[in-house]
Amino acid sequence: TQLLEQSPQFLSIQEGENLTVYCNSSSVFSSLQWYRQEPGEGPVLLVTVVTGGEVKKLKRLTFQFGDARKDSSLHITAAQPGDTGLYLCAGDYTGNQFYFGTGTSLTVIP
Amino acid sequence: ETGVTQTPRHLVMGMTNKKSLKCEQHLGHNAMYWYKQSAKKPLELMFVYSLEERVENNSVPSRFSPECPNSSHLFLHLHTLQPEDSALYLCASSQGLAGYNEQFFGPGTRLTVL
Repeated sequence: TQLLEQSPQFLSIQEGENLTVYCNSSSVFSSLQWYRQEPGEGPVLLVTVVTGGEVKKLKRLTFQFGDARKDSSLHITAAQPGDTGLYLCAGDYTGNQFYFGTGTSLTVIP
Repeated sequence: ETGVTQTPRHLVMGMTNKKSLKCEQHLGHNAMYWYKQSAKKPLELMFVYSLEERVENNSVPSRFSPECPNSSHLFLHLHTLQPEDSALYLCASSQGLAGYNEQFFGPGTRLTVL
């Protein structure tokens, strides 16, 4: 069962542009995480959100957890080539297991 | 070594072979995980160990056999695999099982089954 849907699946933009990727579910999550994975590496945690409506900022990245805790978004301002990678959201609704989305593959062209 | 390491990084095996994947974490964590990452599919959790005891087994075929001899090491023993088992196998660790804990991933083993 696919619990987390991410969109878009692929995104290619020019350096300096802004973008938003989405993570949606029909289930309520107690917490949600965003990871970035670069080729040949494992995913690396960017942020954890736990409260509905929560907004967290990490430099040029802004993360939002939906009020109903069923969805989340990641907004990147002035994208840079170093932002290139696979962005994965992961939601926990059982208390001890994360379900990962299919990911958004981002390419930032210099 | 720091973080989570995995060996080998690449593995090619026939369907009748037996091989093992190794994961080691140098973070003092007490939970370890095996994930399977296939093209166009979400990361799939295979096994979870907490304090060296298996706590999750998500309907994984018996041709995959995990082993956790201590809190720092995790193995995945492979035998009579199928071509559809070709994927990136990722190991991760965390300080506790609670969902808000950060999972630290290794670089993965790229497995090809011929």
